[in-house]
Amino acid sequence: EDQVTQSPEALRLQEGESSSLNCSYTVSGLRGLFWYRQDPGKGPEFLFTLYSAGEEKEKERLKATLTKKESFLHITAPKPEDSATYLCAVQDNDMRFGAGTRLTVKP
Amino acid sequence: DSGVTQTPKHLITATGQRVTLRCSPRSGDLSVYWYQQSLDQGLQFLIQYYNGEERAKGNILERFSAQQFPDLHSELNLSSLELGDSALYFCASSVAASRGDTQYFGPGTRLTVL
Repeated sequence: EDQVTQSPEALRLQEGESSSLNCSYTVSGLRGLFWYRQDPGKGPEFLFTLYSAGEEKEKERLKATLTKKESFLHITAPKPEDSATYLCAVQDNDMRFGAGTRLTVKP
Repeated sequence: DSGVTQTPKHLITATGQRVTLRCSPRSGDLSVYWYQQSLDQGLQFLIQYYNGEERAKGNILERFSAQQFPDLHSELNLSSLELGDSALYFCASSVAASRGDTQYFGPGTRLTVL
């Protein structure tokens, strides 16, 4: 069965402490992998789209990478305003979301 | 601001009732998607419309239906509501209907069924 698994479920970092979030997937024909940021009670905010293994995208303190089995969202020197839930979604015939990683960055 | 608008922001109703949620896509987007997000289920795809036609169906209950109008706005109708239908409902839009198109999400409608 097609699955999208994100780890860890929750991550607490000190401001400036870099780390990575993982999204592993099993789908038959990947059409795109998406990263979103979601604040409580708000709609997911688009971050990145990746289409093929080896692709990388960067935006401010965030960098997304993609392999054939997983994607990483690297956060460099995070700030408290980076605190949010980060969602990974994979599209083959359907769009499937992972459960998310809840990131807390302490000052 | 993604450019996708949803109304109302909040909706409180009783079991057995029927409600309609409304979505206006970003300017130029032809595809509209509906999602349900509950605490125990995460974000679940319900249905997609492209330029007025149903394009894809996900985990949408028979009690739920949707349509997309000529001006491209969409409505999600939820009927015979149950307590378990309480959730956040999001609309998203994309330029076309291609697999792999980036979807931009609206702010959501919080539905509470009492």
